[in-house]
Amino acid sequence: RKEVEQDPGPFNVPEGATVAFNCTYSNSASQSFFWYRQDCRKEPKLLMSVYSSGNEDGRFTAQLNRASQYISLLIRDSKLSDSATYLCVVMLQLGGSQGNLIFGKGTKLSVKP
Amino acid sequence: DADVTQTPRNRITKTGKRIMLECSQTKGHDRMYWYRQDPGLGLRLIYYSFDVKDINKGEISDGYSVSRQAQAKFSLSLESAIPNQTALYFCATSESWGQGRIETQYFGPGTRLLVL
Repeated sequence: RKEVEQDPGPFNVPEGATVAFNCTYSNSASQSFFWYRQDCRKEPKLLMSVYSSGNEDGRFTAQLNRASQYISLLIRDSKLSDSATYLCVVMLQLGGSQGNLIFGKGTKLSVKP
Repeated sequence: DADVTQTPRNRITKTGKRIMLECSQTKGHDRMYWYRQDPGLGLRLIYYSFDVKDINKGEISDGYSVSRQAQAKFSLSLESAIPNQTALYFCATSESWGQGRIETQYFGPGTRLLVL
């Protein structure tokens, strides 16, 4: 089983739609969770961290379910500018103080007029 | 000015050539990383460095070497390039937080490498 799995999409949605992405991770020792956004031919950028209690940032809501080892991202009222690839990212805690990020392959979103 | 810069941005080279990709950052972060991204495979970690004297292999270090010349500089070398090293290469930095937690990684704009 891959460490971080995402549906590659593409998700093609109209403007204004609500769209949800899920991501599963295999290592129960994972400590921190993130969603990054990557535009075509650009570098990834942090969209939001994901906390156990869930968190919201404007139209974006992230949820974490540790028991089921999955993370979700909900985008409400989709905009054309939301078109991008969304990367699910998990941080493992290695040893006493060092951790590395494990990236999913990404889910591609295309918002149409 | 960008906080994380990479040079060159694009490079075409031939099999067997030595090539160096450079990364510089002005964020003052201790931690630096090199990733490669291939279509359908996502980002994979090549090497990482948590300070100037600390270098660690990542998931796919074979065929690569790195040098951390200073806190702000981390270079990646392909000693003898081969076609399957054709990829998009990203450098990233992060700040070390207390208790070993790492938050945001900041990526450079990437280097597109084509090995013929």
